[in-house]
Amino acid sequence: SAVISQKPSRDICQRGTSLTIQCQVDSQVTMMFWYRQQPGQSLTLIATANQGSEATYESGFVIDKFPISRPNLTFSTLTVSNMSPEDSSIYLCSALDTNYGYTFGSGTRLTVV
Amino acid sequence: AQSVAQPEDQVNVAEGNPLTVKCTYSVSGNPYLFWYVQYPNRGLQFLLKYITGDNLVKGSYGFEAEFNKSQTSFHLKKPSALVSDSALYFCAVRDIGGNNRLAFGKGNQVVVIP
Repeated sequence: SAVISQKPSRDICQRGTSLTIQCQVDSQVTMMFWYRQQPGQSLTLIATANQGSEATYESGFVIDKFPISRPNLTFSTLTVSNMSPEDSSIYLCSALDTNYGYTFGSGTRLTVV
Repeated sequence: AQSVAQPEDQVNVAEGNPLTVKCTYSVSGNPYLFWYVQYPNRGLQFLLKYITGDNLVKGSYGFEAEFNKSQTSFHLKKPSALVSDSALYFCAVRDIGGNNRLAFGKGNQVVVIP
């Protein structure tokens, strides 16, 4: 299955600033996703990253707050914009390969102060 | 929409005893079901999946799961738990109507007691 390199692994940011998280997959994958996870809680899907077009956002998430890029079949970024303490969370990317294998990055632990 | 339920919050088991983590699903059509494990400060690691075929699926680290269509369940099992199995376990189902995204259960904290 695919291997995902996600960075940064953690960051502490000032409120009002933005952070961009990157995910690089070691092979071409059909789909990529971005999730948010509160520590010890389940995963909530933010959006599906579409190659060459705008991401598909879930209810409660908007492009202005979480812009996503996916310029090719192996790379995607998620930006958390104009951060507030409520954005403190773990952010994970995921990739779906052709054999219905969903692989996850190691996560980005974000703290907004 | 497809969904899974993990009814328990925490599962406590003594080392060496059998471990079971419960999951039930609600889908329209044939389910694609998954189990993942998450260790502290780590991403999700794939354990096993059911797409089609044998109802008993064997996965990583000695785990297995049984797909039971009549009970709409996909419980995760391990015959003899290890202290190192202490982690957060997630059941998930592919949302066939939702662009192939995964829908996750709330997760179960497993604590293996030495």
